[in-house]
Amino acid sequence: NAGVMQNPRHLVRRRGQEARLRCSPMKGHSHVYWYRQLPEEGLKFMVYLQKENIIDESGMPKERFSAEFPKEGPSILRIQQVVRGDSAAYFCASSPAWVMNTEAFFGQGTRLTVV
Amino acid sequence: QQQVKQSPQSLIVQKGGISIINCAYENTAFDYFPWYQQFPGKGPALLIAIRPDVSEKKEGRFTISFNKSAKQFSLHIMDSQPGDSATYFCAASMKGAQKLVFGQGTRLTINP
Repeated sequence: NAGVMQNPRHLVRRRGQEARLRCSPMKGHSHVYWYRQLPEEGLKFMVYLQKENIIDESGMPKERFSAEFPKEGPSILRIQQVVRGDSAAYFCASSPAWVMNTEAFFGQGTRLTVV
Repeated sequence: QQQVKQSPQSLIVQKGGISIINCAYENTAFDYFPWYQQFPGKGPALLIAIRPDVSEKKEGRFTISFNKSAKQFSLHIMDSQPGDSATYFCAASMKGAQKLVFGQGTRLTINP
């Protein structure tokens, strides 16, 4: 059973470009969470999704950021018109539907560098 | 209210010693307190977790101590080994909520 798979592992974008980060949850997991980790800081919650639904996006910046988890395929975190401040590690986590309180498993992250 | 404050930021312990990392919270609605271990270039991995109905939980060399009245919890690593060198994060979540609130992290170094 493969773990949470994130790709790409590293992503370099120029200012103004779009970044697309992908997350495939563990087999049997239908809940996906995205977190952002700035250098030397803890992880900050961004968004919680179930298949085809955004459940909690209270941590998402109001502009340029969006997330989806379609019926088929991976979850996508999309950042439009990236700026230097978007440089961070973005982690995806997944959990089964029946687990409360986030017994969640994290992927290895995508490290985004905006140049 | 949503914050979890973690200390120290960095910690150096000799091999065989006890590593202690502390966290404090304000929101009494938190009812799940996990600790995560993160190695460089990797994602966080769940180490051990506790709920407020117990004051201590032990798994191998790792122990969580929980003080509900003080709203504090701590991670103790007994017989610390160089392989324990990593960044440790405490976290908390509320009943019915699926998101974790993380502390700022502690970079632990175990000297051989």
